[in-house]
Amino acid sequence: EVQVVESGGGLVQPGGSLRLSCAASGFTFSSYAMSWVRQAPGKGLQWVSAISGSGGSTYYADSVKGRFTISRDNSKNTLYLQMNSLRAEDTAIYFCAKAPSDSQGVTDYWGQGTLVTVSS
Amino acid sequence: SYVLTQPPSVSVAPGKTATITCGGNNIGSKSVHWYQQKPGQAPVLVIYYDSDRPSGIPERFSGSNSGNTATLTISRVEAGDEADYYCQVWDSSRDHVVFGGGTKLTVL
Repeated sequence: EVQVVESGGGLVQPGGSLRLSCAASGFTFSSYAMSWVRQAPGKGLQWVSAISGSGGSTYYADSVKGRFTISRDNSKNTLYLQMNSLRAEDTAIYFCAKAPSDSQGVTDYWGQGTLVTVSS
Repeated sequence: SYVLTQPPSVSVAPGKTATITCGGNNIGSKSVHWYQQKPGQAPVLVIYYDSDRPSGIPERFSGSNSGNTATLTISRVEAGDEADYYCQVWDSSRDHVVFGGGTKLTVL
């Protein structure tokens, strides 16, 4: 059974850093692209970042480029999102999502999300 | 940047057909994917590549895409279909994923 489970969320002060993790199981992790999508309280879905199966290609939303870094450790079946210089507007539930192939654009399995709150 | 426009809300009576639109410039040239999200839950893919259904998604869900509008159609609507629905594309000109603003489907 395919599973992706996020962790690492919490309360952080503005300007601080946080690293999210997404543990994957039930599929050959290195063969699939992965993404992070966030949802601010009461708002819609916002794409954050994506990465190819090998990790060689990465993509970022303009709002996080230069502050967030996506990476993956295929030996540990884990996806990461390093978030630096956090702002109040980064407050959201962060979802990890798997693509059905090593191509970008669609995701077929999502985790339940981890909440990041940026506040003093 | 590429923009997807969805109506904020759609209401439909049980047993009737719900139509949710997603507008974008020449969206017919892109592949459109649709997600269903119920309160407190993660999104679920219901239609991908314009009109394909993942396994486990009822045949009542269908999609189409042409010109400047993509459409998600839900036939014989049930109370359990009440949710937020999001369209999504890959903007290859900027290597970005773009989501529509979402449509809240209310079953009367």
